[in-house]
Amino acid sequence: DSGVTQTPKHLITATGQRVTLRCSPRSGDLSVYWYQQSLDQGLQFLIQYYNGEERAKGNILERFSAQQFPDLHSELNLSSLELGDSALYFCASSVEGLAGFTDTQYFGPGTRLTVL
Amino acid sequence: AQKVTQAQTEISVVEKEDVTLDCVYETRDTTYYLFWYKQPPSGELVFLIRRNSFDEQNEISGRYSWNFQKSTSSFNFTITASQVVDSAVYFCALSEDWNDYKLSFGAGTTVTVRA
Repeated sequence: DSGVTQTPKHLITATGQRVTLRCSPRSGDLSVYWYQQSLDQGLQFLIQYYNGEERAKGNILERFSAQQFPDLHSELNLSSLELGDSALYFCASSVEGLAGFTDTQYFGPGTRLTVL
Repeated sequence: AQKVTQAQTEISVVEKEDVTLDCVYETRDTTYYLFWYKQPPSGELVFLIRRNSFDEQNEISGRYSWNFQKSTSSFNFTITASQVVDSAVYFCALSEDWNDYKLSFGAGTTVTVRA
């Protein structure tokens, strides 16, 4: 158990809908990262937050957004869902993730999203 | 361009055999970090090992060992005396420079250990 929690574990929805994925980092970790794992794209970095602020952005679609709250939990919002958004979405956390220092990222169990 | 290449798609071994997973990376930075993660059938990603670019010392941790060679940009991982519970997908990942926090993952190698 990494200490990172994600809810829900599974999510089934229809095209055009909007969903919210939730992540709670390990106790004491300030950085949260979101990754998408799909069969065709593999594991891809989406976005990082550090202590409530966006820190780095990767291959995140404009239909997707995220935020980190004062209690450090994070939410990933996916809207106007398409079939191709079906994937396993991971959240990871690390102690800092600041410039000059790369922490180990510990991953949550993931949320499996199925868009029908 | 692929930053992390795991050329082996699948490896199948019999229990107690050793398994070596290859990883070749590409970077222009002098400071970078390399990782191995394991994804068992249950789906979670489990951190195994981490190495920074300044430390080429190879180590052994239990049944795991790794061979980091900057000259060939390789970071290979070996499981000694494999067990059925080692069956999983193994990912090599790269974290580059001090302003890039993301992990760039390889495509993964599926390891199947048969009893």
